[in-house]
Amino acid sequence: AQSVTQLDSQVPVFEEAPVELRCNYSSSVSVYLFWYVQYPNQGLQLLLKYLSGSTLVKGINGFEAEFNKSQTSFHLRKPSVHISDTAEYFCAVVGGGNKLTFGTGTQLKVEL
Amino acid sequence: GAGVSQSPRYKVAKRGQDVALRCDPISGHVSLFWYQQALGQGPEFLTYFQNEAQLDKSGLPSDRFFAERPEGSVSTLKIQRTQQEDSAVYLCASSFESSYNSPLHFGNGTRLTVT
Repeated sequence: AQSVTQLDSQVPVFEEAPVELRCNYSSSVSVYLFWYVQYPNQGLQLLLKYLSGSTLVKGINGFEAEFNKSQTSFHLRKPSVHISDTAEYFCAVVGGGNKLTFGTGTQLKVEL
Repeated sequence: GAGVSQSPRYKVAKRGQDVALRCDPISGHVSLFWYQQALGQGPEFLTYFQNEAQLDKSGLPSDRFFAERPEGSVSTLKIQRTQQEDSAVYLCASSFESSYNSPLHFGNGTRLTVT
């Protein structure tokens, strides 16, 4: 079975500061990892994904994530956040089959 | 349409009522998923269709939940005899192919409140 853990339920950060949202995964098979963003009252939007190859993955809106097999982590980072990045961020994993298993989410709140 | 469309956007039901939630996927998308998102939680898988075939319904919480996609396009999630614990946002997602590599496109969801 696959699972992801997002340890931080909320992350406050000032605008233009860097941010890291943490995600750890557990899987007994090859993993494919994803980060999704959910703006208020909207559906989820794919930020980036790791399937294979380079462990550093770049996504939309300046976000990137690094797959670390030894630490079973897939943390999301952005060097300088903007107020518009305020949203809920979900880490997800696909193992066997093609259904996503999501974490509980991290609310990123960017303050002026 | 340009994206996945879900209706109604909001639904209030009295306990015991039946509800039907509709999903219009992106035209031509083979795969269709339903997820349930409780308040403060991540989405949880309910069921998956490949065209009209329901290949996985392991996430449906009880036999009160039923989903169909009879012509391989529009899908309906039906909940019979609704209970308060059914209150959640129900998300539909579709993808062009059936592999995990094919990006999922989510609708804005239907917020169901059972009173």
